[in-house]
Formats: sequence, C-alpha cells, structure tokens
Amino acid sequence: DTAVSQTPKYLVTQMGNDKSIKCEQNLGHDTMYWYKQDSKKFLKIMFSYNNKELIINETVPNRFSPKSPDKAHLNLHINSLELGDSAVYFCASSQDPQGRANVLTFGAGSRLTVL
Amino acid sequence: AQKITQTQPGMFVQEKEAVTLDCTYDTSDPSYGLFWYKQPSSGEMIFLIYQGSYDQQNATEGRYSLNFQKARKSANLVISASQLGDSAMYFCAMRDPSGGSNYKLTFGKGTLLTVNP
Repeated sequence: DTAVSQTPKYLVTQMGNDKSIKCEQNLGHDTMYWYKQDSKKFLKIMFSYNNKELIINETVPNRFSPKSPDKAHLNLHINSLELGDSAVYFCASSQDPQGRANVLTFGAGSRLTVL
Repeated sequence: AQKITQTQPGMFVQEKEAVTLDCTYDTSDPSYGLFWYKQPSSGEMIFLIYQGSYDQQNATEGRYSLNFQKARKSANLVISASQLGDSAMYFCAMRDPSGGSNYKLTFGKGTLLTVNP
C-alpha cells in the first residue's frame, strides 16, 4: 500500500497545453503539500492544504491551481504550460503540521517535461 | 535571505567510514524543527531524522545522528559506517514559524554523497 501516491509518474507535453497531476494519501493526514524540484534539485514549496483549506500559496503563477476535494486528495492543475514548468513535482502529507515534528511523507514524484 | 545552507555540493566517503554533512540555518523563532531527507537516484524523498529546537539530546536513528549545535545554528548529519546504498542526495530542512507558517518545510540545496567501495 503506497502511503502517498501520485499520478502520472511521467508527463511529456507541448507548450501551451493544460495538464493535471493527482495525489492521494492513505495515511489519514490532515495536511497536504505540493513541492517543485527544479533541474538543480532545489525543492520549493508551492501550496499547502489543511483539511481542504488553502494554507500556503507561495507566489506561484496563477496558471497553477491546486484543488483538494477532500483531505486525502490534492490535485494540481497547470494551464498554458511553459518550458520553465519542466520539473519534478512532489506531493507530500503530514499529520501534525503545527507540531514540532512536522515530518512530511512524500510521494514518488511526477516528472513533467514541457517541449 | 537563505534560511538553510548546505555548503557542500558534493562529498565522497569510503565504504565503512563515517561522514558528516553540514547544515546551518537561520531563524529568529525559538521553536523550530530540523529535518534530514535522503533522495537516492530513483528520486523518492526519504525522511531520515528529526531534531527539535528544545530537544536536550542529539537525535539518533540507527546509523544516522544529528550533531545539533544550537548556538552555532548548525545541524550536521553524521552517517556512520557508510554503505554503498548511502550514495544519494541529502537535504537539510527546517520548519520555521518565523517564516510565516508552521506548515512548511524550507529545504537546503542538498549535498550529493558518493560512497566509494
């Protein structure tokens, strides 16, 4: 049983297209996140949802729209894809984000390539 | 200002030896948490160890230990008895309420560790 699962694992698409990445966690966690890892391996938070409520939105272009239908799911939709959107996108979840031990459990990542 | 600094882009170690990966941080909040994650070439992010700012003792998890020096604002990861499977990218991260949210972890740029046979 995968704790945090993302689909698809690989996504190759043309500039200007719209695409979605889905994420589901079966850990019963209240908080979910999207992180972006660029070609230099730098990990940066994009969004965080706590019980379906948006908590963090880190100056991400509004072409990126997260959606959390319930606390076990957090999807990422990207409109009008650009070359610079090529990256690995990680979904993560945590149980106790305001606690001192905010351990994130990550999904396997979704590698997006924009041509 | 960079919150988490990992000054070693790459490190090499011989199998069975110990290695220290450096991490310094910057925060104005007295309550924070420090984390280390491992990312092997397969790409997944694996949690290794956690240290809370109020924890009296340095954290240990098997072959991993955290050398926490609060006054120096450093949280170095020590891997003892290195194994070939330890070859990976290692990230230091901090939960820092002074950044405006308890919810996010801020990551350093990572250190690529190579274990030589």
